[in-house]
Amino acid sequence: VQLVESGGGLVKPGGSLRLSCAASGFTFSNAWMNWVRQAPGKGLEWVGRIKSKSDGGTTDYAAPVKGRFTISRDDSKNTMYLQMNSLKTEDTAVYYCSIHTIFGVVIDVWGQGTTVTVSS
Amino acid sequence: DIQMTQSPSSLSASVGDRVTITCQASQDISKYLNWYQQKPGKAPKLLIYDASNLETGVPSRFSGSGSGTDFTFTISSLQAEDIATYYCQHYDNLPRFGGGTKVEIK
Repeated sequence: VQLVESGGGLVKPGGSLRLSCAASGFTFSNAWMNWVRQAPGKGLEWVGRIKSKSDGGTTDYAAPVKGRFTISRDDSKNTMYLQMNSLKTEDTAVYYCSIHTIFGVVIDVWGQGTTVTVSS
Repeated sequence: DIQMTQSPSSLSASVGDRVTITCQASQDISKYLNWYQQKPGKAPKLLIYDASNLETGVPSRFSGSGSGTDFTFTISSLQAEDIATYYCQHYDNLPRFGGGTKVEIK
């Protein structure tokens, strides 16, 4: 069971970036998936979640990113995405994807994280 | 949004000590509360799920209790390898982490 994030990098304020989370070893289509971030020296912050398509495929977001970030999934590619627009310096963080739940059961699987730096 | 208030923000204890961390939700979250351990540079690791259930493979010195708004996480006998930051997380509806508790050895 594995999650691998990619797509992090350096971007200027106001710019955009798309992160990917590739899943393997489990039935991705059944999973509700999270994005969680951690700014340098700070605590964990939940970013957003996408439900399985069978549960509606809907998304929820934390207030600081709502309207700027969009989570999507492609079950045919076992991949989740985080489209980040209008980036701010305070979005600088390590971004993790994780499994939220599968059929309501908490599952502890996290990616290794990808670093996003927003700086001019 | 539900707010999660975790305390203390840091603590220092001796090996063998009993360590307790509390987490308070701003409204009733039933049992939908997880506890994570995070070591520097690593992803979080789930220790306790649904407030009081020990994740498979986690040592029995870790435990959790509570429901509703008040939750407690306990390390019954602190070990050197337990040095880490611990987070509570409400995971239903809009998930939210507590602020974290950094545990150090005295």
